[in-house]
Amino acid sequence: EVQLVESGGGLVQPGESLTLSCAATGFTFSSNAMTWVRQAPGKGLEWVSGISAGGGSTFYADSVKGRFTISRDNSKTTLYLQMNSLRAEDTAVYYCTRSRYSNAWDYFDYWGQGTLVTVSS
Amino acid sequence: QSVLTQPPSASGTPGQRVAISCSGSSSDIGGKTISWYQQLPGTAPKLLIYSNDHRPSGVPDRFSGSKSGTSASLAISGLQSEDEADYYCAAWDDSLNGWVFGGGTKLTVL
Repeated sequence: EVQLVESGGGLVQPGESLTLSCAATGFTFSSNAMTWVRQAPGKGLEWVSGISAGGGSTFYADSVKGRFTISRDNSKTTLYLQMNSLRAEDTAVYYCTRSRYSNAWDYFDYWGQGTLVTVSS
Repeated sequence: QSVLTQPPSASGTPGQRVAISCSGSSSDIGGKTISWYQQLPGTAPKLLIYSNDHRPSGVPDRFSGSKSGTSASLAISGLQSEDEADYYCAAWDDSLNGWVFGGGTKLTVL
């Protein structure tokens, strides 16, 4: 059974940093691209960042480019999102998703339960 | 403002058929396949339709998808109370080099 479990969310002040993790089990992690999608309170879904299966290709939304870094450790079957210079508008539930195939442009077939990041002073 | 345009709300009575539209451009829907996601209240989104019109195993055949040009549609027939949820369309955008989502449609079963 595919499982994606996010962790690392919490309350931080504007300008601070936070790293999210997504522990993946139940499939061959190195075969699938992975993506972070976020949802601000009461709002819709927003794609944040994606990474190819091998980690060689990464993609970012303009809203986080230069501040967030996506990475993966295929030996630990874990996806990461390093978030720097956090802003109030980054407050959201962050979902880890699995892409059906190895490319970041493949659709998301599994979603984690999400972890809440709150940026507030 | 979302790149893909969906109506903010839709409604129907049990047993009815409802359709939710999703409009985009040549760089997203027009050139790529579209997927649909269902988000039940208080839960994570779930894949509902992929590659325009394919259903993952476990998704009832009451749900169907279609695409024509730069628009797509999700249809739900035989509406049930448990279908009350938010529905999102999504596609890869070649010009943005990233995914774009619709703003979401809140479906109410009256």
